[in-house]
Amino acid sequence: AQSVTQLDSHVSVSEGTPVLLRCNYSSSYSPSLFWYVQHPNKGLQLLLKYTSAATLVKGINGFEAEFKKSETSFHLTKPSAHMSDAAEYFCVVSDYFGNEKLTFGTGTRLTIIP
Amino acid sequence: SQTIHQWPATLVQPVGSPLSLECTVEGTSNPNLYWYRQAAGRGLQLLFYSVGIGQISSEVPQNLSASRPQDRQFILSSKKLLLSDSGFYLCAWSLGQGAAGYTFGSGTRLTVV
Repeated sequence: AQSVTQLDSHVSVSEGTPVLLRCNYSSSYSPSLFWYVQHPNKGLQLLLKYTSAATLVKGINGFEAEFKKSETSFHLTKPSAHMSDAAEYFCVVSDYFGNEKLTFGTGTRLTIIP
Repeated sequence: SQTIHQWPATLVQPVGSPLSLECTVEGTSNPNLYWYRQAAGRGLQLLFYSVGIGQISSEVPQNLSASRPQDRQFILSSKKLLLSDSGFYLCAWSLGQGAAGYTFGSGTRLTVV
């Protein structure tokens, strides 16, 4: 069985300061891990993904995440927050069993303070 | 390139009325297709997935059903809507290769009144 825990339901940072969104996962197999972003009343957009290659993954809009197997973590970071980063972020884990069902975290709402 | 279309964008329906939400994918063949629901303030819940025409798997018992009449068409339906069916419905597709993730549609905001 697989699961993912997003440790913060809401994170607020000032514009220009670093962003850290925390995610821990549980998986019986070698997982694939993803971060998705959702702006209000919009679909989900893939930010980045980890698929057993480099443990530091770079995504769009300056985001990156590091896969740490010993800590079962996949935290999302960005050096400098921008107002347009305000959105809901979902950490997602996938174990491949032929139908690629993804398990979503409950989401972290990121607020950017001007 | 692959695209996914989902409509309508918003829908207000009375309790007891029927529902039909449609999702189509272009630019790929034999995709895996998914319907998710996102209730207010909550994460995404997988409702149905399909690995081929006429093949539907249901994840949770509910008032909804899904059908896949064509390879790239996925329909979410209900005969009689309940208030609890309100939410944001997202269609998605994948190639079922385990590491590609999903591509999501833009979603349908359903309000049952």
